[in-house]
Formats: sequence, C-alpha cells, structure tokens
Amino acid sequence: GDSVTQMEGPVTLSEEAFLTINCTYTATGYPSLFWYVQYPGEGLQLLLKATKADDKGSNKGFEATYRKETTSFHLEKGSVQVSDSAVYFCALSGTGTASKLTFGTGTRLQVTL
Amino acid sequence: GAVVSQHPSWVICKSGTSVKIECRSLDFQATTMFWYRQFPKQSLMLMATSNEGSKATYEQGVEKDKFLINHASLTLSTLTVTSAHPEDSSFYICSAYLLGSLYEQYFGPGTRLTVT
Repeated sequence: GDSVTQMEGPVTLSEEAFLTINCTYTATGYPSLFWYVQYPGEGLQLLLKATKADDKGSNKGFEATYRKETTSFHLEKGSVQVSDSAVYFCALSGTGTASKLTFGTGTRLQVTL
Repeated sequence: GAVVSQHPSWVICKSGTSVKIECRSLDFQATTMFWYRQFPKQSLMLMATSNEGSKATYEQGVEKDKFLINHASLTLSTLTVTSAHPEDSSFYICSAYLLGSLYEQYFGPGTRLTVT
C-alpha cells in the first residue's frame, strides 16, 4: 500500500537558518503530494502541494519539488523564523479525486532566536 | 477560506459512556468528510470516510460498531465513540473535502478525548 516516510524530529534551528525536512513516498500510479503544517493548538493547514512530477509547490517561503525518480518531496526554506515552529506532515493522495490522504509521522520544528 | 469546526474541542468522560463529536464545514458544502485519529507524537491515522447520505467506509481494523459515524447533511458529520474505554483516549480530527476542489481537504482543529 501507499506509505510516506519522513525524517524524525525534532529539528531545532536558529532563526534565519536553512531548513530541509526529507520526505519519501511509496505509491502506485501518480499520487499528489502535500505538506501540511500544524501549529500548536491548531488544526492541520495545507502548506503546499504538487500534483505531477517536477512540479514545485511553494508558499510562505517554503518549497518542495515532486521528484518521481527519487520518489521524494523534500520541504525546504531558505531562512526560518520563530513563527515557523510547528509540526510538518508530508502526505500523499492516491490517483483520483477525493482520495484519502496517507500521512508521514510528522516532524517537529523548533526555531530559536 | 474554507473553515471546518469541531465540537467539543476537548472532552473528559467516564469509561463505559458514549461521546459524540461534531464536525462542521462552516462556509462550504462537503459531500465527503474524513475522520482521523492522532496519537501523541504520531501521525494521523484515517479511521473512516464519511459520505453525505450514505454509510461510512471504515478503514481496516476500525470497529464500526464502536465508532459510529453519521453524515446527515452537507455541512455536518458526527463521530460517536460508544462505550468508551481509556484506550480510546486520543486526538480526533476531521477534515472536509471541498466540492469542486480536486485535491484539497480542510481540517478541523481536533477534539481531545480523555476517558477515565
């Protein structure tokens, strides 16, 4: 079945540092890929998405590129802020509409001054 | 943007009682809603898919008689945990699929259930 593997956290960075959170997946067909963010005490929010190979999703300075050859969708940000502290989930949706999401285990990011 | 609410945000109940959790899409219609369970420091696990006007589809290993799901309208789905036990204590999250949006689910803030 489909699966998503994320790097374990927590990840602790100083403000303005470069962020990479690795995500690889296993799926049949051509899934859509997502990054969700969960701030403390809040629900999950869609951060960015990519629906086909080589697509780059971007939002709020975060980027991720759908790499079919390496089955990866790594999340990056050039300069993190304290306000980026949250849990980040990589997820995939199988082929077809209204498909259920398969999540990775989540990576907690803590950014300090 | 699309907003999904959950009520209550937290609940404490005694073992053996039942608890109902509501999930509402506030400003859009949702033909499909999903219910997830999240354990501490773990990922979300899909419990069931709820379609308006029809029976829910449960994931393997989820007891449908224990976790009753009703999707009576395009804006409301409910999850009832029946005869709750301490091992049912968890964070329950719903999401709603926006009609016409190919891939996007909108998530509620979650409900923390503690069974004593």
